[in-house]
Amino acid sequence: AQSVTQLGSHVSVSEGALVLLRCNYSSSVPPYLFWYVQYPNQGLQLLLKYTTGATLVKGINGFEAEFKKSETSFHLTKPSAHMSDAAAYFCAVSRSNYGGSQGNLIFGKGTKLSVKP
Amino acid sequence: DAGVIQSPRHEVTEMGQEVTLRCKPISGHNSLFWYRQTMMRGLELLIYFNNNVPIDDSGMPEDRFSAKMPNASFSTLKIQPSEPRDSAVYFCASSPWGRRQGTEAFFGQGTRLTVV
Repeated sequence: AQSVTQLGSHVSVSEGALVLLRCNYSSSVPPYLFWYVQYPNQGLQLLLKYTTGATLVKGINGFEAEFKKSETSFHLTKPSAHMSDAAAYFCAVSRSNYGGSQGNLIFGKGTKLSVKP
Repeated sequence: DAGVIQSPRHEVTEMGQEVTLRCKPISGHNSLFWYRQTMMRGLELLIYFNNNVPIDDSGMPEDRFSAKMPNASFSTLKIQPSEPRDSAVYFCASSPWGRRQGTEAFFGQGTRLTVV
């Protein structure tokens, strides 16, 4: 069975500082991993995903994440935070990895990112 | 494309009433998912469909919950009778299905349900 753990329900950084949001997963099969962002009163938007291939994945808005199998981690980073990055971020693992849809997801509890001016 | 469209955006109803949430997936997407988001339990998958057929409804909390997908462009999630603990944000998502990259899910903006 798969699971996702996000360390830190709230993270606060200063504008221009490094953003690091942590995600660890458990999966009995090679995982497909995702980061979604949710702005207030909005739906979820895909930031980036890892399925196969290169372990460093680049996404939208300057975010990237690295899949580390040995550490069962998929941490999200951004070199310089912007005020517009304030949102909730969700890490997720797909329940299946043999094709089909990637919408059957197990989500972490989420991390709310605050950015101070 | 307009994306996944959910209606209504907000619903306030009294305990015991029937509630119907609606979803129009992205055209051409043949997988559809209903998720529920609460503070206590986070995001949970309730049910999903492939080609209009329910594949896994193990996340549906009780028999009071039911979902249908009568055609490729419409799905409903019904709660009857509703209870205060059903208050949550309900998301619909859709994705393509197939052995390809790029089959991630696209989410609607959600329906915020309040049962008083």
